[in-house]
Amino acid sequence: GQNIDQPTEMTATEGAIVQINCTYQTSGFNGLFWYQQHAGEAPTFLSYNVLDGLEEKGRFSSFLSRSKGYSYLLLKELQMKDSASYLCALTEGYKLSFGAGTTVTVRA
Amino acid sequence: DTEVTQTPKHLVMGMTNKKSLKCEQHMGHRAMYWYKQKAKKPPELMFVYSYEKLSINESVPSRFSPECPNSSLLNLHLHALQPEDSALYLCASRPPGHLYGYTFGSGTRLTVV
Repeated sequence: GQNIDQPTEMTATEGAIVQINCTYQTSGFNGLFWYQQHAGEAPTFLSYNVLDGLEEKGRFSSFLSRSKGYSYLLLKELQMKDSASYLCALTEGYKLSFGAGTTVTVRA
Repeated sequence: DTEVTQTPKHLVMGMTNKKSLKCEQHMGHRAMYWYKQKAKKPPELMFVYSYEKLSINESVPSRFSPECPNSSLLNLHLHALQPEDSALYLCASRPPGHLYGYTFGSGTRLTVV
């Protein structure tokens, strides 16, 4: 089974940086995903980490430490359109399971 | 074609109705998924099909009946639903042999009255 924890809500100012943490426990690790989801829309893929370290992709970066069961998503130069829910997800075999999501609100 | 297409986008049905949700992809993905998402909650896995065979059923009530007629198509047949089944139903697919590369459809917003 899996247990995924992330904060419920975060608020930041336009142009700032926000870091969303995710801790997890799993009996089998095949990779950790971050997805962005706007209200009423499908999740969209942001990043995938399977090895320890930092993956950078434009304004978004994701970090993984498998030994600590820990990941974070870093959003830089925040824009109003980044206001959304950010979902940490784990794969175990064919199964992709999501954390409860972190709602990020970007203020002007 | 790099999309997962779900139809209909919106569906309102009565508790005695029978309806079906459809999901289609032409990317050669051989794993296909149904998720249910309630408002302000994460997607919850319902079913996984791998190579057209049901590989995971997350103890979903029998009023939800999945079907995978071929490698491109996934259906979810609905019968005798309850109002609490109202949710966004998401379909996803993944390429064979890849642990990443999930693609989600835009979902069907289902309301049971």
